Amino acid sequence: EDQVTQSPEALRLQEGESSSLNCSYTVSGLRGLFWYRQDPGKGPEFLFTLYSAGEEKEKERLKATLTKKESFLHITAPKPEDSATYLCAVQGSGTGNQFYFGTGTSLTVIP
Amino acid sequence: NAGVMQNPRHLVRRRGQEARLRCSPMKGHSHVYWYRQLPEEGLKFMVYLQKENIIDESGMPKERFSAEFPKEGPSILRIQQVVRGDSAAYFCASSPPNTDTQYFGPGTRLTVL
Repeated sequence: EDQVTQSPEALRLQEGESSSLNCSYTVSGLRGLFWYRQDPGKGPEFLFTLYSAGEEKEKERLKATLTKKESFLHITAPKPEDSATYLCAVQGSGTGNQFYFGTGTSLTVIP
Repeated sequence: NAGVMQNPRHLVRRRGQEARLRCSPMKGHSHVYWYRQLPEEGLKFMVYLQKENIIDESGMPKERFSAEFPKEGPSILRIQQVVRGDSAAYFCASSPPNTDTQYFGPGTRLTVL
């Protein structure tokens, strides 16, 4: 069965302190790996889609990378407004269109 | 272009009542997905629909749950005879044809008393 594990569960950073979030996955034929941001009481907000190992995507202070077994979300010089839960999901070729989500990393950036 | 819309945002039901959750996809999106999020758990897939068709309902409980996406109007997730364990946040997502990325609505938070 397709599976996604995110680490750490929670992360506290000082403003400006860069770090990375990890998403490890097992999937039969990766169609895509997706990163979302979720604020409390809201729906997931789309950030990135990655399709193949070696691919990288950037948006402001965020950069997502992909290998054959895991993805990293790098946060450079974070600000308090980056505080949120970051979700990773995979879509496999053998499981239709559904996404398998990890449980997320809760990021808190302290001013 | 308005995002995915869901209503109601909050719904309170007593055990045994019915819950109806509505989802209007983004304009131009013909694919709708429903997910459930329990506290401390990840989003779990329930059902995937296109207009007038259920494509994949492998994540739907076999009893009490049903979904539809009619030719006109929003997609509906219906839960009959709700129980306390149905309390959760239910999210709808939509995607355009030939695209994998799913865009999520704000969710409906169901509380069963």
